[in-house]
Amino acid sequence: DTAVSQTPKYLVTQMGNDKSIKCEQNLGHDTMYWYKQDSKKFLKIMFSYNNKELIINETVPNRFSPKSPDKAHLNLHINSLELGDSAVYFCASRERVGVSEQYFGPGTRLTVT
Amino acid sequence: GEDVEQSLFLSVREGDSSVINCTYTDSSSTYLYWYKQEPGAGLQLLTYIFSNMDMKQDQRLTVLLNKKDKHLSLRIADTQTGDSAIYFCAENYDYKLSFGAGTTVTVRA
Repeated sequence: DTAVSQTPKYLVTQMGNDKSIKCEQNLGHDTMYWYKQDSKKFLKIMFSYNNKELIINETVPNRFSPKSPDKAHLNLHINSLELGDSAVYFCASRERVGVSEQYFGPGTRLTVT
Repeated sequence: GEDVEQSLFLSVREGDSSVINCTYTDSSSTYLYWYKQEPGAGLQLLTYIFSNMDMKQDQRLTVLLNKKDKHLSLRIADTQTGDSAIYFCAENYDYKLSFGAGTTVTVRA
């Protein structure tokens, strides 16, 4: 059973398009995250939701909009894609804020051409 | 308190011990983590340590924490070829994890 899953695994698209990445966790966790890993492997948090409410919103362009329809899902929609958006996007979840373990999904490799 | 620093590369001979070092800045971090990332894969939680502990051992992995110096290390005993990966140190800060740049460990025969 996959604990944190993401779709798609790979996404290739052209500049200016709008795309979405989906994330689901079957762990019953309250808190979910999106991280971005750039070409140098540097990981940085983008957003966090706790029970469907946004609790962390780092300095991310407003072309990126997360949506949490329920606490098991956290989707990431990106408008007007740019070359610099090419990266691997990781979803993660945690039982609740302050608990130790945070589990990551397999990642979505986004390539913007 | 978001600066986590690690050396970028480590080369180790198979069977030897590997030691990966990390420094962090936020003294109020509650947990410190080590994640492993193999090529093309996601992040696997290897181990973590609570900030009031000095050491944690889990099979071949030993984590040492020096709170005074804000220094964290991961020792891998009897390093195997399957241990070749990028290892990320992370601190729990302000409800999120802040990561170091990752240490690429190469195991040579």
